[in-house]
Amino acid sequence: GEDVEQSLFLSVREGDSSVINCTYTDSSSTYLYWYKQEPGAGLQLLTYIFSNMDMKQDQRLTVLLNKKDKHLSLRIADTQTGDSAIYFCAESSWFSGGYNKLIFGAGTRLAVHP
Amino acid sequence: GAGVSQTPSNKVTEKGKYVELRCDPISGHTALYWYRQSLGQGPEFLIYFQGTGAADDSGLPNDRFFAVRPEGSVSTLKIQRTERGDSAVYLCASSLSPGGTDTQYFGPGTRLTVL
Repeated sequence: GEDVEQSLFLSVREGDSSVINCTYTDSSSTYLYWYKQEPGAGLQLLTYIFSNMDMKQDQRLTVLLNKKDKHLSLRIADTQTGDSAIYFCAESSWFSGGYNKLIFGAGTRLAVHP
Repeated sequence: GAGVSQTPSNKVTEKGKYVELRCDPISGHTALYWYRQSLGQGPEFLIYFQGTGAADDSGLPNDRFFAVRPEGSVSTLKIQRTERGDSAVYLCASSLSPGGTDTQYFGPGTRLTVL
């Protein structure tokens, strides 16, 4: 079955870049997503990448996709204390009827320290 | 505009009781999803509605769990004979329509605690 794996914890210094990694198993994944979850809040969609793309940049966020290795990464440039949160990688399987069932990893807790 | 809302935000119940969790999707969104997030885990898919019908309920753990969406808007997740293992945050998401990126917008969740 589908599986998404992430490292559980990352600590970075304010102003440095953060790189959060994710591996997935479903080669038929259509889209891959990064969500952010702050304490007590719901999931916020940060960015997504279509499976035929290698890279997507959106302001401080850069997503890299290696489809051959089924590896996805999220790079946050100039990491700020407000970026401290849990980051979830998710893959979607496209089903007939045209809906997405998201499969999430366990999340990476990003801690930003001065 | 308003996002996805869920009520109650917190629910504490006793083992064996019945609970209902409500989700109000974004107005005009036809697709609605329920997920469950256990402590330290990512959300897990429970059920998907397109309009009024449950198009995919393959994630419901057993027959104690049931969900409805009678008018194609508000949805209620119902759990009978609750067990301690049902304790989790139940998340609802909606999307404009299935298709394309089908961007799912999540509500803040209902934290269910079964004592």
